[in-house]
Amino acid sequence: NAGVMQNPRHLVRRRGQEARLRCSPMKGHSHVYWYRQLPEEGLKFMVYLQKENIIDESGMPKERFSAEFPKEGPSILRIQQVVRGDSAAYFCASSQGTGGLGNTQYFGPGTRLTVL
Amino acid sequence: AQSVAQPEDQVNVAEGNPLTVKCTYSVSGNPYLFWYVQYPNRGLQFLLKYITGDNLVKGSYGFEAEFNKSQTSFHLKKPSALVSDSALYFCAVRDMERAAGNKLTFGGGTRVLVKP
Repeated sequence: NAGVMQNPRHLVRRRGQEARLRCSPMKGHSHVYWYRQLPEEGLKFMVYLQKENIIDESGMPKERFSAEFPKEGPSILRIQQVVRGDSAAYFCASSQGTGGLGNTQYFGPGTRLTVL
Repeated sequence: AQSVAQPEDQVNVAEGNPLTVKCTYSVSGNPYLFWYVQYPNRGLQFLLKYITGDNLVKGSYGFEAEFNKSQTSFHLKKPSALVSDSALYFCAVRDMERAAGNKLTFGGGTRVLVKP
């Protein structure tokens, strides 16, 4: 059973370019979460999605960041017009459900974004 | 609002000695509590969680954690540490109340160094 998959693992962008990060949840999981980890810091929640719906985007920056989880295909975190401060590791997690035993979030290997 | 504190940035322990990593939390309602481990340039691996029931939770790789409601703590323990346990450990909390959403709030992490 494959785990959470993220690609690319490493992404280098110049200031002003767009970054697209992809996440495929574990098989059977319909809940996807994105977190950001700055160097030497803990993870910060960004957004929580179910298929075709954004459930909680309280951690997303108001501008330049967007996320989607279409009916078919992976979840996408999109960062427009990247700036150096966007350099971080972006982790995707998925869960089977939200309550009780099904609420464990399993994490992917992350995408390390470097903005030059 | 929910929060997690890991008071120690680093814990050093000799191989074979007991290992404890401290975590305290704050939530409005009742907590779901989690421990994850992160190896260099890797994603987070799930170790164990507390939902309800027994206060002592056993997890992967010989780790366990004790939920203490009165002290709002969830310390991670291992009776005999291995060099391979050297990694970054994160405690996380999620409020059980539906209104709080499904996001995890992470502590800042504790680096564990096990010396041979």
